[in-house]
Amino acid sequence: DAGVIQSPRHEVTEMGQEVTLRCKPISGHNSLFWYRQTMMRGLELLIYFNNNVPIDDSGMPEDRFSAKMPNASFSTLKIQPSEPRDSAVYFCASSRGPGQGSWGYTFGSGTRLTVV
Amino acid sequence: SQQGEEDPQALSIQEGENATMNCSYKTSINNLQWYRQNSGRGLVHLILIRSNEREKHSGRLRVTLDTSKKSSSLLITASRAADTASYFCATVEVGGSNYKLTFGKGTLLTVNP
Repeated sequence: DAGVIQSPRHEVTEMGQEVTLRCKPISGHNSLFWYRQTMMRGLELLIYFNNNVPIDDSGMPEDRFSAKMPNASFSTLKIQPSEPRDSAVYFCASSRGPGQGSWGYTFGSGTRLTVV
Repeated sequence: SQQGEEDPQALSIQEGENATMNCSYKTSINNLQWYRQNSGRGLVHLILIRSNEREKHSGRLRVTLDTSKKSSSLLITASRAADTASYFCATVEVGGSNYKLTFGKGTLLTVNP
């Protein structure tokens, strides 16, 4: 298994531009999570999906952020418009169920986003 | 919000020594997990301990859980330079979503050769 695949690995964009981050979870994993990591705030859960359905998006910081999971093998996190304070490493993780909290997560390698 | 708080924030030891990292949390938990993150990489799941367990081993790793004190420790024995990484504890809360892991801010471990 190739693990959780994220793209791109690095993204540098200008303020105001739209940014789309992509994630392919491990086949057979029912849950998908988007986290953001910064030095100041650590790892923050943005949103998670179970069986492609968003369960909790309370961590999404603003309406500028949106996430979709059109099928079991693909998810996107979009920021529109992007701002410098969105600069962070964004991680996607997946986990299998039932009782997903009883299993470890598998993380992707992350996307390092820099908004200038 | 942070659930787990790791202690110390940073730890530097010599190869061959044991490393102990601690984690405290605030609410009742279903389970607690430890992850490792190498610089510039994603997190790697190390070990999971359930709330009804007190100790668990995996290779050179030993995890303890004290639910009365709401704390856990991760011991790495006979450390190696390759163990240099950040280590995070994460919890799944009782009564909350069974899917949701909340991470602490981590302990940066440096193992000097």
